[in-house]
Amino acid sequence: DSGVTQTPKHLITATGQRVTLRCSPRSGDLSVYWYQQSLDQGLQFLIQYYNGEERAKGNILERFSAQQFPDLHSELNLSSLELGDSALYFCASSVGAEANYGYTFGSGTRLTVV
Amino acid sequence: KNQVEQSPQSLIILEGKNCTLQCNYTVSPFSNLRWYKQDTGRGPVSLTIMTFSENTKSNGRYTATLDADTKQSSLHITASQLSDSASYICVVRASGGSYIPTFGRGTSLIVHP
Repeated sequence: DSGVTQTPKHLITATGQRVTLRCSPRSGDLSVYWYQQSLDQGLQFLIQYYNGEERAKGNILERFSAQQFPDLHSELNLSSLELGDSALYFCASSVGAEANYGYTFGSGTRLTVV
Repeated sequence: KNQVEQSPQSLIILEGKNCTLQCNYTVSPFSNLRWYKQDTGRGPVSLTIMTFSENTKSNGRYTATLDADTKQSSLHITASQLSDSASYICVVRASGGSYIPTFGRGTSLIVHP
C-alpha cells in the first residue's frame, strides 16, 4: 500500500456522462497530481494542486476539471465523456510543491467509456 | 521541447537472464532522472533516482547508469525473475522553470519461465 488512495478502482460509464474520481494523498503530502495513461501510452500530466491551490497545468481538456479540498483530498471531474477518454487515471502525491523527493502513486482508476 | 525516449518498446527474456533498458532524453537543464517500475494495472513505483553527479546506482538486482554528457541512462536487471515482468518508465526532471517531470513511454518487459 503506497498510502495514496484512489476510488473507485473501476468505472464503466456511457458516452456523454460525467464522472468524479477521488484521491486521498499520502499522509503529510500537500501536493496532488493527476495523470492519464491511455492504452500503450505514457503517463500524461493533467494537473497539480498544492495545499488547495492549482499549481501547474498540463494537457488537461476543458471538459475535465479538478479541485483539492481543505482536507487535501482531490477530485478529478470528467464530463461529456467520449470513447477516447477510456484510460487509467493515476493520482500521485508529494510532500512539497516541486516533488523534490519524487512522487508516490496510487493504484489508479480504470475508466471505461462505452 | 523536453522529450524522453525509451528503447526497446518491449522485451521478452527467459528467467535468470540479464537485460538492459535504455533511456535517451533531451530535458534541459537536467535535475534528476528516475526509473519507475509499473506492474500491470498498478501505479508506478520508484526504483532509483540519479542526479547529475551520479554515474551508477544500484537497488538490489537493478543497476541504473547515467551519462549526463550524452544524456543517456540505462537500467540493467540481473538474474531476472518472473516478478520483474512489468513496464519500466524513465522519468526526467528539469531544474528551474517547469518542474513537472517528463515521462518516457516505458519498456514492457516480460520474463518467461
